[in-house]
Amino acid sequence: DAGITQSPRHKVTETGTPVTLRCHQTENHRYMYWYRQDPGHGLRLIHYSYGVKDTDKGEVSDGYSVSRSKTEDFLLTLESATSSQTSVYFCAISESVDEQFFGPGTRLTVL
Amino acid sequence: RKEVEQDPGPFNVPEGATVAFNCTYSNSASQSFFWYRQDCRKEPKLLMSVYSSGNEDGRFTAQLNRASQYISLLIRDSKLSDSATYLCVVPTTGTASKLTFGTGTRLQVTL
Repeated sequence: DAGITQSPRHKVTETGTPVTLRCHQTENHRYMYWYRQDPGHGLRLIHYSYGVKDTDKGEVSDGYSVSRSKTEDFLLTLESATSSQTSVYFCAISESVDEQFFGPGTRLTVL
Repeated sequence: RKEVEQDPGPFNVPEGATVAFNCTYSNSASQSFFWYRQDCRKEPKLLMSVYSSGNEDGRFTAQLNRASQYISLLIRDSKLSDSATYLCVVPTTGTASKLTFGTGTRLQVTL
């Protein structure tokens, strides 16, 4: 299995609080991605990174920011969590478009 | 038209049966296609890649129909362990490093 971890794995927070999710890889892959998965919508791209300090928005980026200061770490921040951001968040890594390797996911509940 | 569309199912089949899923895509210029498998409450994992007319791996066969813009996944001799959600995935239009995921087709194999 690809060396990719996510933390925390589960989190319950309240509306309006900031939340940061961490993705850590040991594969030295160039690309890193954050997705959210919701029933009926499938996986939707939030933000992605194509190198250290190089990031870009995905299709559902509103309310989220990211940072990548090291190759191995990609952080997703919800500046002020809302109930609509309750979801399962997956991080993925890749060296090319051919295959993305996913982390185990983070279940986030915003009350 | 969505970039990729799938029948959500569920497909309920007995063990040993043959089952096929179809997936339609909108970008006629797509050159590569993927099927990912996702078990309940787990991360997606690459099952098969399709670059030309099709691909076969054991009991699994993926076929591409460019004229009609659909790809199919055929599973022969279904096993209980095949029960999962199968995600149809295409490169996101206009990009070289992003993927667009279908919402998935759920398969339940029963005794």
